Amino acid sequence: AQSVTQLDSQVPVFEEAPVELRCNYSSSVSVYLFWYVQYPNQGLQLLLKYLSGSTLVKGINGFEAEFNKSQTSFHLRKPSVHISDTAEYFCAVRAMNTDKLIFGTGTRLQVFP
Amino acid sequence: GAGVSQSPSNKVTEKGKDVELRCDPISGHTALYWYRQSLGQGLEFLIYFQGNSAPDKSGLPSDRFSAERTGGSVSTLTIQRTQQEDSAVYLCASSSRDAGNEQFFGPGTRLTVL
Repeated sequence: AQSVTQLDSQVPVFEEAPVELRCNYSSSVSVYLFWYVQYPNQGLQLLLKYLSGSTLVKGINGFEAEFNKSQTSFHLRKPSVHISDTAEYFCAVRAMNTDKLIFGTGTRLQVFP
Repeated sequence: GAGVSQSPSNKVTEKGKDVELRCDPISGHTALYWYRQSLGQGLEFLIYFQGNSAPDKSGLPSDRFSAERTGGSVSTLTIQRTQQEDSAVYLCASSSRDAGNEQFFGPGTRLTVL
């Protein structure tokens, strides 16, 4: 079975500051890793994904994440946030032998002016 | 092309009533998923369809929940004898191998059971 832990339920940050949203996972099999964003009153949108290859993955809106197998982490980073980045961010894993996504509980990023 | 659509967008029902939630996947997507997003539980997988068959129903919380998919397209999630703890946003997603199995999500149906 797989599980995902997002350690921070809320992250407040000022505009133009850097941010890191933490994600750790647990799995007995190899997994693919994902970050989704959910803007207020909207559906989930894929930010980025790690399937294989380079452990540093770049996504949309200037976000990137690094897969660290030894630490079983997939933290999301952005060097300078905007007000428009205010949203809920979900980390998810999918075991390579399944199709379902297992999500973390989400981190609410609140960007202040 | 059109994304995943779900209807209704909002549903308010009384405890004990049955409800049906509909999902229209992206045209040509063979896989379809239902998830539930509720306070305190986050996003939970419910059921997965490949074509019209459901190889993974492991997330359905009780036998009051069922889902079907016809014609390899539209899916309906049915909740019988609704309970207050069923209140949540029900999300549908679809994917295809041609799109790298990326799951595209609909806007969800917000279900409130009074």
